[in-house]
Amino acid sequence: AQSVAQPEDQVNVAEGNPLTVKCTYSVSGNPYLFWYVQYPNRGLQFLLKYITGDNLVKGSYGFEAEFNKSQTSFHLKKPSALVSDSALYFCAVLTGGGNKLTFGTGTQLKVEL
Amino acid sequence: NAGVTQTPKFRVLKTGQSMTLLCAQDMNHEYMYWYRQDPGMGLRLIHYSVGEGTTAKGEVPDGYNVSRLKKQNFLLGLESAAPSQTSVYFCASSYFGLAGGQETQYFGPGTRLLVL
Repeated sequence: AQSVAQPEDQVNVAEGNPLTVKCTYSVSGNPYLFWYVQYPNRGLQFLLKYITGDNLVKGSYGFEAEFNKSQTSFHLKKPSALVSDSALYFCAVLTGGGNKLTFGTGTQLKVEL
Repeated sequence: NAGVTQTPKFRVLKTGQSMTLLCAQDMNHEYMYWYRQDPGMGLRLIHYSVGEGTTAKGEVPDGYNVSRLKKQNFLLGLESAAPSQTSVYFCASSYFGLAGGQETQYFGPGTRLLVL
């Protein structure tokens, strides 16, 4: 079955430092991978996705993600974290013949001054 | 352009009561989805629709029914609510299906449901 795993429930980082939110995947065939962010009391917002091509994908709000086929990972990164980046981040993979997204359990990012 | 809206925002039900959650989108999207979000479990797909008049089961459909009588609306019904259905419910929509990865989903703000 296609799935993603987010090994960290919470990530804490100081403002200005680089941040990484981890995601690993298990799929047969070519993976279509996504990152979404959820701010408190809001719905999910799309950040970026990997379909094919360049392994480094750039998205909204200065975020980027690196697709690594050998490590089956798709980690979310940002060079310099902001307090406003504090939110719940979800990794997702396209499943069900391409009609559905399967989400990870989410990682709470806390950026402190 | 309001995007995806959901009503109500919050509801408390007693076990056995019924209710309907409404999702509306004004983006002329063909596809609509209902998810539930539970702590430590991410989002799980309940039902989805690929167009007006169509519905399909997702990952966790039991205890829920849906209808898509109008393209812009997708209703989620609970006929006899149970405490296990306490959750946050999210609606989403997309213009095309997700196959091929070219499309993205737009989410509503969510409905918090508490079943006592």
